[in-house]
Amino acid sequence: GIQVEQSPPDLILQEGANSTLRCNFSDSVNNLQWFHQNPWGQLINLFYIPSGTKQNGRLSATTVATERYSLLYISSSQTTDSGVYFCAVAYLRAGGTSYGKLTFGQGTILTVHP
Amino acid sequence: GAVVSQHPSRVICKSGTSVKIECRSLDFQATTMFWYRQFPKQSLMLMATSNEGSKATYEQGVEKDKFLINHASLTLSTLTVTSAHPEDSSFYICSATRLDRDTEAFFGQGTRLTVV
Repeated sequence: GIQVEQSPPDLILQEGANSTLRCNFSDSVNNLQWFHQNPWGQLINLFYIPSGTKQNGRLSATTVATERYSLLYISSSQTTDSGVYFCAVAYLRAGGTSYGKLTFGQGTILTVHP
Repeated sequence: GAVVSQHPSRVICKSGTSVKIECRSLDFQATTMFWYRQFPKQSLMLMATSNEGSKATYEQGVEKDKFLINHASLTLSTLTVTSAHPEDSSFYICSATRLDRDTEAFFGQGTRLTVV
């Protein structure tokens, strides 16, 4: 199956700093999503971005599908940004039924200190 | 919006009993729902795909008889952990994609199961 690798595994920042999280995947994908898992376990949808660039406030993401990677940028980080960031991908093979069948990376644990 | 609600958020049960977890899409119809499992400090692993009106498809290594999935309507899927054991203790989370736009997946709040 498809492999998803995220880097770095851990990231510690001071409030106000910028950061870049990377997601590499081993095969062509039809769906790529970034999530933030909060301390209670809930997955918050950040971006649905199988290709191209999107921005939402202090966060932006870029996926270069031909080179099989995606980047999540966090600018002016805040303590509330702390948590685990997951990249997840889906690909449809013959007989596949849904783009929602996701394979997750191992995540990046972000800690933002005041 | 695309809201997925999961219930209960926490459950403690005794060994040998069964526990049912519900996953509902509140403001959209979902032909397909997914069940994931997450152990502490690990990533999410897909357990099964739940299709409305048909049998669920389980990932390799997931016991069908232990994790019963029913998808009776376009807004509800249930996961029943049967004859629970302490090693079944985990965080279970569901997701759904919209019937009218099967692209982005939306997740429920998750259920933390503790078997004592």
